[in-house]
Amino acid sequence: DAGVIQSPRHEVTEMGQEVTLRCKPISGHNSLFWYRQTMMRGLELLIYFNNNVPIDDSGMPEDRFSAKMPNASFSTLKIQPSEPRDSAVYFCASSRTDQNLYEQYFGPGTRLTVT
Amino acid sequence: AQKVTQAQTEISVVEKEDVTLDCVYETRDTTYYLFWYKQPPSGELVFLIRRNSFDEQNEISGRYSWNFQKSTSSFNFTITASQVVDSAVYFCALSESYTGNQFYFGTGTSLTVIP
Repeated sequence: DAGVIQSPRHEVTEMGQEVTLRCKPISGHNSLFWYRQTMMRGLELLIYFNNNVPIDDSGMPEDRFSAKMPNASFSTLKIQPSEPRDSAVYFCASSRTDQNLYEQYFGPGTRLTVT
Repeated sequence: AQKVTQAQTEISVVEKEDVTLDCVYETRDTTYYLFWYKQPPSGELVFLIRRNSFDEQNEISGRYSWNFQKSTSSFNFTITASQVVDSAVYFCALSESYTGNQFYFGTGTSLTVIP
């Protein structure tokens, strides 16, 4: 089975531009998570979805960040406008919560650089 | 307060030495799950193990072993006969049943195995 797929793997953009990160979870998984990782703050949960519904977005830094999950096989994280402090690696992860299987499987990440 | 504490920020060992990575957690929930993840220099986060709160059996997988002790709220990870390929950042994580399947990650322990 394919793992979690993220695109793009690398993104370099200028301050003020819109950035869209994409994620395809593992087929059959019903939960999806967006994380951000930086040296200063470590791994931060931004938002997560259960059955395509956003459950907790308290980790979203500010209104410039938004996330959607229009169906079970696709999610986006959008930053508009982007700022240099948004530079980080963004991970998407998915899990299935039936049968008490809660481990999250992570995608390869998107390394975002905002200049 | 930190729900998961990994007090060891960095550890260096010489190849073939055994090394134990500590993880202490905090929860009021009676049903919870503990996890270990590995993040090698390539950057991906790899799931290693899940432990349920009602199963205190220790687990061994090859050179890896995990010691779960509810009495001390610890879930320690031991690598026996370490190898250079074990060099990575290792994260411990907690998931509580009453907060859904949200993970609380520790800050990670960076392990360097010196040849």
